[in-house]
Amino acid sequence: QQQVKQSPQSLIVQKGGISIINCAYENTAFDYFPWYQQFPGKGPALLIAIRPDVSEKKEGRFTISFNKSAKQFSLHIMDSQPGDSATYFCAASSNTGKLIFGQGTTLQVKP
Amino acid sequence: DTAVSQTPKYLVTQMGNDKSIKCEQNLGHDTMYWYKQDSKKFLKIMFSYNNKELIINETVPNRFSPKSPDKAHLNLHINSLELGDSAVYFCASSQVLLQDVGQFFGPGTRLTVL
Repeated sequence: QQQVKQSPQSLIVQKGGISIINCAYENTAFDYFPWYQQFPGKGPALLIAIRPDVSEKKEGRFTISFNKSAKQFSLHIMDSQPGDSATYFCAASSNTGKLIFGQGTTLQVKP
Repeated sequence: DTAVSQTPKYLVTQMGNDKSIKCEQNLGHDTMYWYKQDSKKFLKIMFSYNNKELIINETVPNRFSPKSPDKAHLNLHINSLELGDSAVYFCASSQVLLQDVGQFFGPGTRLTVL
């Protein structure tokens, strides 16, 4: 119930391509779904977040798509760049304030 | 200026020792957290403090004891270190508990227990 399942574990995309990472959850009490980006040797940094009352949120090249009925959400990175190469984590939380993280996706964008 | 800082960045120690990791945030946030990231990069919350009060205490061995002397500091003390404690420990802070303003993470402390 408390898990957030993330896929794929790793992803290789050509520069300019679209990177797509998917997450699924079970707990319907979750009401906040952020994505974090982590570079090697650094702490995770908030990238973009969504609430379940909207189906999509876009910030620059990053878009979250949210499907409440399917309990799934995904991150799309348009025009992927080598500088986007990092580990991406989806997460979910409810009113407890506790973030439950997915397993992470290592993205490599090839020049 | 560093928003969330941790010391030390690296910590190598022997089994059975006691060690502490310090965390400070200069963002004026009310809530601070400790996370553990294992070798497979899985991130799991350990503790959360709001205004110096313990809010979240996950199933963590009682060898781990957090201490919050004030709102800007949250330290983690670990007794009788075990091999399985080797991980990267992240401190984080957020403006208000329960709000979707995001958590700001520190740079991490890589703990290696030999």
